[in-house]
Amino acid sequence: EAGVVQSPRYKIIEKKQPVAFWCNPISGHNTLYWYRQNLGQGPELLIRYENEEAVDDSQLPKDRFSAERLKGVDSTLKIQPAELGDSAVYLCASSLEGSVTYNEQFFGPGTRLTVL
Amino acid sequence: KQEVTQIPAALSVPEGENLVLNCSFTDSAIYNLQWFRQDPGKGLTSLLLIQSSQREQTSGRLNASLDKSSGRSTLYIAASQPGDSATYLCAVFLGAGSYQLTFGKGTKLSVIP
Repeated sequence: EAGVVQSPRYKIIEKKQPVAFWCNPISGHNTLYWYRQNLGQGPELLIRYENEEAVDDSQLPKDRFSAERLKGVDSTLKIQPAELGDSAVYLCASSLEGSVTYNEQFFGPGTRLTVL
Repeated sequence: KQEVTQIPAALSVPEGENLVLNCSFTDSAIYNLQWFRQDPGKGLTSLLLIQSSQREQTSGRLNASLDKSSGRSTLYIAASQPGDSATYLCAVFLGAGSYQLTFGKGTKLSVIP
């Protein structure tokens, strides 16, 4: 069974440029998460989707970040314009629906973003 | 706000040694705790998940324990190997109302051949 797929794996851009990351979750997982991991830190949640609905985007910097999951499967996270402080690894994860007591999240390999 | 602390931040041991990684959390009202492994430049691989009602979980040479009341978990690695070198992260899940995992900063383990 394929795991969580993310692309690209690496991205280098200049500040003020736009960038987009793509994620395809594990088949059958309708809960999808985007996390950001700064160097030397643990991942921090940006947004959580249940199907196509963003149910928790409280930590998403909405002035420059946006996300979508139009058909409730794959998802795109966008930054426009990028700033130097956005350099980080962006991780996507997925889990089975509605399991409060058994929320095992499976992570993709991440996209390492470098903003110059 | 839930805070997760991992001690030590880095650990270097000779091959074959048994070792313990520590994780503590401030809010004991968790649904489960998960231990992950992260290799350089890679994503997170789930190692063990312990439900709040459980005391421990085992997988091969790994054993994770959970003391929910004291807000602590340990990851025990037996007979360490160079291939175990990685960063180990623990994360807690609070459940309904806060579906996010709250992570510690990790412990970077180096196993010396």
